[in-house]
Amino acid sequence: GQNIDQPTEMTATEGAIVQINCTYQTSGFNGLFWYQQHAGEAPTFLSYNVLDGLEEKGRFSSFLSRSKGYSYLLLKELQMKDSASYLCAFSDSNYQLIWGAGTKLIIKP
Amino acid sequence: GAVVSQHPSRVICKSGTSVKIECRSLDFQATTMFWYRQFPKQSLMLMATSNEGSKATYEQGVEKDKFLINHASLTLSTLTVTSAHPEDSSFYICSLGALTGDHNEQFFGPGTRLTVL
Repeated sequence: GQNIDQPTEMTATEGAIVQINCTYQTSGFNGLFWYQQHAGEAPTFLSYNVLDGLEEKGRFSSFLSRSKGYSYLLLKELQMKDSASYLCAFSDSNYQLIWGAGTKLIIKP
Repeated sequence: GAVVSQHPSRVICKSGTSVKIECRSLDFQATTMFWYRQFPKQSLMLMATSNEGSKATYEQGVEKDKFLINHASLTLSTLTVTSAHPEDSSFYICSLGALTGDHNEQFFGPGTRLTVL
């Protein structure tokens, strides 16, 4: 079967670093996506990993281990505007996105 | 990336009425578009895949006669919620897939907040 799991909520302090983990199980895999979703808005693309390793993009980095079915999104130098839900999703053998429930990130001053 | 618009952004209707939501691709010819529904604090749930010029493919548990999808052109897909009831109140989001570099990325519309009284 397929499943994907990420924490429901995390809290971090402005200026700090936070890591949001995502684990998944699937027989067919065509990449792992991270999206950011602010309350009441549609998701926006953050990152894509299809090979193992770390992809860095400014303050955001995403890591993938295919053998472990594990990914994380690392956010550095947190800003108040980073308060949002972060959705991980994998692309299955049919290139359909299977979504996690999202991690609500709360940033405190 | 592709730009996707949705209309309306917010709609409130009475129970039993039908509501049409439009999803437009502004700069990309989309043969396939996706319709999602998202309840509060829950994940995106794929409802159906809209195919230009042919019937939509519905996910298990989604009633095709209740959620009518029409993809008449490469830039427009519509979702009609027929005989809406309060339990249909949700955030409806469309997206299209476009090859971006080495991956097929989904670009989302801004969403439509449906409230059925």
